[in-house]
Amino acid sequence: QVQLVESGGGVVQPGGSLRLSCAASGFRFSDHGMHWVRQAPGKGLEWVAVIWYDGNNKYYADSVKGRFTISRDNVNSRLYLEMNSLRVDDTALYYCARVRGISTGWADYWGQGTLVTVPS
Amino acid sequence: SYVLTQAPSVSVAPRQTATITCGGDDIGRKSVHWYQQKPGQAPMVVVYDDTARPSGIPERFSGSNSGNTAILTISRVEAGDEADYYCQVQEVFGGGTKLTVL
Repeated sequence: QVQLVESGGGVVQPGGSLRLSCAASGFRFSDHGMHWVRQAPGKGLEWVAVIWYDGNNKYYADSVKGRFTISRDNVNSRLYLEMNSLRVDDTALYYCARVRGISTGWADYWGQGTLVTVPS
Repeated sequence: SYVLTQAPSVSVAPRQTATITCGGDDIGRKSVHWYQQKPGQAPMVVVYDDTARPSGIPERFSGSNSGNTAILTISRVEAGDEADYYCQVQEVFGGGTKLTVL
Protein backbone atom coordinates (compact mmCIF):
# COMPACT_ATOMS: atom_id res chain seq x y z
CA GLN A 1 0.00 0.00 0.00
CA VAL A 2 1.04 3.60 -0.44
CA GLN A 3 3.27 4.87 2.35
CA LEU A 4 4.91 8.23 2.87
CA VAL A 5 7.27 8.61 5.82
CA GLU A 6 8.80 11.97 6.63
CA SER A 7 11.98 12.44 8.64
CA GLY A 8 14.58 15.06 9.41
CA GLY A 9 12.61 17.40 11.61
CA GLY A 10 13.99 18.82 14.83
CA VAL A 11 14.87 21.94 16.74
CA VAL A 12 17.00 24.48 14.87
CA GLN A 13 17.98 28.02 15.80
CA PRO A 14 16.79 30.99 13.74
CA GLY A 15 18.94 31.36 10.66
CA GLY A 16 19.80 27.69 10.65
CA SER A 17 19.19 24.96 8.10
CA LEU A 18 17.46 21.62 7.98
CA ARG A 19 16.82 18.97 5.35
CA LEU A 20 13.58 17.05 5.41
CA SER A 21 13.16 13.73 3.68
CA CYS A 22 10.10 11.76 2.63
CA ALA A 23 10.46 8.07 1.83
CA ALA A 24 7.79 6.80 -0.54
CA SER A 25 6.76 3.20 -1.12
CA GLY A 26 3.90 1.16 -2.52
CA PHE A 27 3.61 3.03 -5.82
CA ARG A 28 5.66 4.20 -8.78
CA PHE A 29 7.15 7.35 -7.34
CA SER A 30 8.21 8.77 -10.71
CA ASP A 31 4.58 8.86 -11.89
CA HIS A 32 3.46 11.47 -9.40
CA GLY A 33 4.00 15.07 -8.47
CA MET A 34 4.72 15.65 -4.79
CA HIS A 35 3.81 18.43 -2.36
CA TRP A 36 5.21 19.68 0.90
CA VAL A 37 2.47 21.15 3.09
CA ARG A 38 2.97 22.51 6.60
CA GLN A 39 0.79 23.18 9.60
CA ALA A 40 1.84 25.46 12.42
CA PRO A 41 0.71 24.38 15.89
CA GLY A 42 -3.04 24.93 16.21
CA LYS A 43 -3.25 26.51 12.76
CA GLY A 44 -4.45 25.58 9.30
CA LEU A 45 -2.74 23.98 6.35
CA GLU A 46 -0.24 25.98 4.33
CA TRP A 47 1.08 24.76 1.00
CA VAL A 48 4.88 25.03 0.82
CA ALA A 49 6.13 23.61 -2.47
CA VAL A 50 5.38 21.18 -5.30
CA ILE A 51 7.62 19.26 -7.67
CA TRP A 52 6.42 17.58 -10.82
CA TYR A 53 6.99 13.90 -11.55
CA ASP A 54 10.32 14.35 -13.31
CA GLY A 55 11.70 17.09 -11.10
CA ASN A 56 11.82 19.62 -13.91
CA ASN A 57 9.12 21.92 -12.54
CA LYS A 58 9.14 23.27 -9.02
CA TYR A 59 6.94 25.92 -7.43
CA TYR A 60 7.06 27.58 -4.03
CA ALA A 61 4.90 29.59 -1.69
CA ASP A 62 5.98 33.22 -1.48
CA SER A 63 6.71 32.71 2.22
CA VAL A 64 9.53 30.24 1.49
CA LYS A 65 10.72 31.27 -1.97
CA GLY A 66 14.47 31.76 -2.03
CA ARG A 67 14.95 29.94 1.29
CA PHE A 68 13.55 26.45 0.65
CA THR A 69 14.37 24.02 -2.16
CA ILE A 70 12.30 21.00 -3.11
CA SER A 71 13.95 18.09 -4.89
CA ARG A 72 13.39 14.41 -5.56
CA ASP A 73 15.30 11.20 -6.21
CA ASN A 74 13.18 9.00 -8.43
CA VAL A 75 15.66 6.12 -8.27
CA ASN A 76 15.32 5.82 -4.52
CA SER A 77 11.73 7.13 -4.24
CA ARG A 78 12.60 10.03 -2.01
CA LEU A 79 11.39 13.60 -1.74
CA TYR A 80 13.40 16.33 -0.05
CA LEU A 81 12.95 19.81 1.32
CA GLU A 82 16.10 21.80 1.96
CA MET A 83 15.28 24.63 4.36
CA ASN A 84 17.68 27.53 4.89
CA SER A 85 17.51 30.82 6.80
CA LEU A 86 14.87 29.33 9.05
CA ARG A 87 12.60 31.69 10.94
CA VAL A 88 10.41 31.34 14.01
CA ASP A 89 7.32 31.32 11.80
CA ASP A 90 8.61 28.25 9.94
CA THR A 91 7.78 26.21 13.04
CA ALA A 92 5.27 23.60 11.89
CA LEU A 93 4.51 20.00 11.20
CA TYR A 94 5.68 19.34 7.65
CA TYR A 95 3.76 16.85 5.56
CA CYS A 96 4.73 15.32 2.27
CA ALA A 97 1.76 14.46 0.08
CA ARG A 98 1.36 12.62 -3.20
CA VAL A 99 -0.31 14.43 -6.08
CA ARG A 100 -2.99 12.40 -7.85
CA GLY A 101 -1.33 13.11 -11.21
CA ILE A 102 2.09 13.89 -12.65
CA SER A 103 2.19 17.62 -12.02
CA THR A 104 0.18 19.40 -9.34
CA GLY A 105 -3.29 19.26 -7.89
CA TRP A 106 -5.03 17.51 -5.08
CA ALA A 107 -3.20 15.14 -2.78
CA ASP A 108 -4.48 11.61 -2.42
CA TYR A 109 -1.98 10.33 0.15
CA TRP A 110 -0.26 12.12 3.02
CA GLY A 111 2.47 11.18 5.43
CA GLN A 112 2.17 11.68 9.17
CA GLY A 113 4.50 14.66 9.18
CA THR A 114 7.78 15.68 10.76
CA LEU A 115 7.97 18.52 13.25
CA VAL A 116 10.26 21.47 12.73
CA THR A 117 10.74 23.85 15.65
CA VAL A 118 12.52 27.19 15.36
CA PRO A 119 12.50 28.70 18.86
CA SER A 120 12.33 32.44 19.47
CA SER B 1 -2.24 35.64 -4.61
CA TYR B 2 -5.53 33.81 -4.58
CA VAL B 3 -7.46 33.86 -1.29
CA LEU B 4 -9.96 31.27 -0.05
CA THR B 5 -12.30 32.24 2.78
CA GLN B 6 -13.90 29.74 5.15
CA ALA B 7 -15.98 30.29 8.26
CA PRO B 8 -13.96 29.28 11.33
CA SER B 9 -16.66 27.01 12.73
CA VAL B 10 -19.92 25.28 11.95
CA SER B 11 -22.11 23.38 14.41
CA VAL B 12 -24.78 20.84 13.55
CA ALA B 13 -26.89 18.28 15.37
CA PRO B 14 -26.53 14.59 14.56
CA ARG B 15 -28.48 13.40 11.52
CA GLN B 16 -28.80 16.97 10.25
CA THR B 17 -27.03 18.48 7.25
CA ALA B 18 -23.79 20.45 7.54
CA THR B 19 -22.88 23.05 4.94
CA ILE B 20 -19.29 24.25 4.77
CA THR B 21 -18.51 27.05 2.36
CA CYS B 22 -15.34 28.21 0.63
CA GLY B 23 -15.35 31.64 -0.95
CA GLY B 24 -13.01 32.82 -3.66
CA ASP B 25 -13.01 35.17 -6.61
CA ASP B 26 -14.72 33.36 -9.49
CA ILE B 27 -14.03 30.05 -7.76
CA GLY B 28 -16.69 28.43 -9.92
CA ARG B 29 -14.19 28.45 -12.79
CA LYS B 30 -11.63 26.49 -10.77
CA SER B 31 -11.39 22.97 -9.42
CA VAL B 32 -11.96 22.74 -5.67
CA HIS B 33 -10.86 19.95 -3.40
CA TRP B 34 -11.93 19.30 0.18
CA TYR B 35 -9.96 17.66 2.98
CA GLN B 36 -11.01 16.36 6.35
CA GLN B 37 -8.53 16.45 9.22
CA LYS B 38 -9.21 14.85 12.57
CA PRO B 39 -7.09 15.69 15.63
CA GLY B 40 -3.65 14.15 15.48
CA GLN B 41 -4.15 12.85 11.96
CA ALA B 42 -3.02 13.86 8.50
CA PRO B 43 -5.59 15.41 6.16
CA MET B 44 -7.64 13.14 3.93
CA VAL B 45 -9.43 14.17 0.76
CA VAL B 46 -13.20 13.75 0.88
CA VAL B 47 -14.16 15.53 -2.36
CA TYR B 48 -11.98 16.41 -5.34
CA ASP B 49 -12.58 18.28 -8.59
CA ASP B 50 -15.64 20.01 -7.11
CA THR B 51 -17.92 16.98 -6.88
CA ALA B 52 -15.98 13.70 -7.13
CA ARG B 53 -15.62 11.36 -4.16
CA PRO B 54 -12.64 9.05 -3.63
CA SER B 55 -13.44 5.40 -3.05
CA GLY B 56 -14.31 4.77 0.57
CA ILE B 57 -15.83 8.18 1.19
CA PRO B 58 -19.54 7.92 2.04
CA GLU B 59 -22.13 9.35 -0.32
CA ARG B 60 -23.14 11.62 2.54
CA PHE B 61 -20.25 13.86 1.47
CA SER B 62 -20.94 15.94 -1.62
CA GLY B 63 -19.59 19.08 -3.21
CA SER B 64 -20.74 21.87 -5.47
CA ASN B 65 -19.10 24.90 -6.97
CA SER B 66 -20.52 27.96 -8.68
CA GLY B 67 -19.90 31.67 -8.89
CA ASN B 68 -17.80 32.78 -5.94
CA THR B 69 -18.63 29.93 -3.57
CA ALA B 70 -17.82 26.24 -3.33
CA ILE B 71 -19.78 24.12 -0.87
CA LEU B 72 -19.10 20.89 0.96
CA THR B 73 -22.30 19.29 2.15
CA ILE B 74 -22.37 16.52 4.73
CA SER B 75 -25.76 14.85 5.00
CA ARG B 76 -26.97 12.88 8.00
CA VAL B 77 -24.03 14.09 10.08
CA GLU B 78 -22.47 11.59 12.48
CA ALA B 79 -20.30 12.14 15.53
CA GLY B 80 -17.37 10.75 13.57
CA ASP B 81 -17.62 13.61 11.06
CA GLU B 82 -16.40 16.06 13.69
CA ALA B 83 -13.17 17.45 12.24
CA ASP B 84 -11.53 20.39 10.53
CA TYR B 85 -12.36 20.79 6.86
CA TYR B 86 -10.16 22.61 4.35
CA CYS B 87 -10.84 23.62 0.78
CA GLN B 88 -8.03 23.79 -1.75
CA VAL B 89 -7.72 25.47 -5.13
CA GLN B 90 -4.48 24.85 -6.99
CA GLU B 91 -1.79 25.53 -4.40
CA VAL B 92 -3.92 27.51 -1.97
CA PHE B 93 -5.75 26.24 1.10
CA GLY B 94 -8.63 27.90 2.86
CA GLY B 95 -8.25 28.71 6.52
CA GLY B 96 -10.30 25.71 7.58
CA THR B 97 -13.69 25.17 9.21
CA LYS B 98 -14.09 23.28 12.45
CA LEU B 99 -17.21 21.13 12.32
CA THR B 100 -18.74 20.45 15.72
CA VAL B 101 -21.42 17.81 16.11
CA LEU B 102 -23.70 18.88 18.94
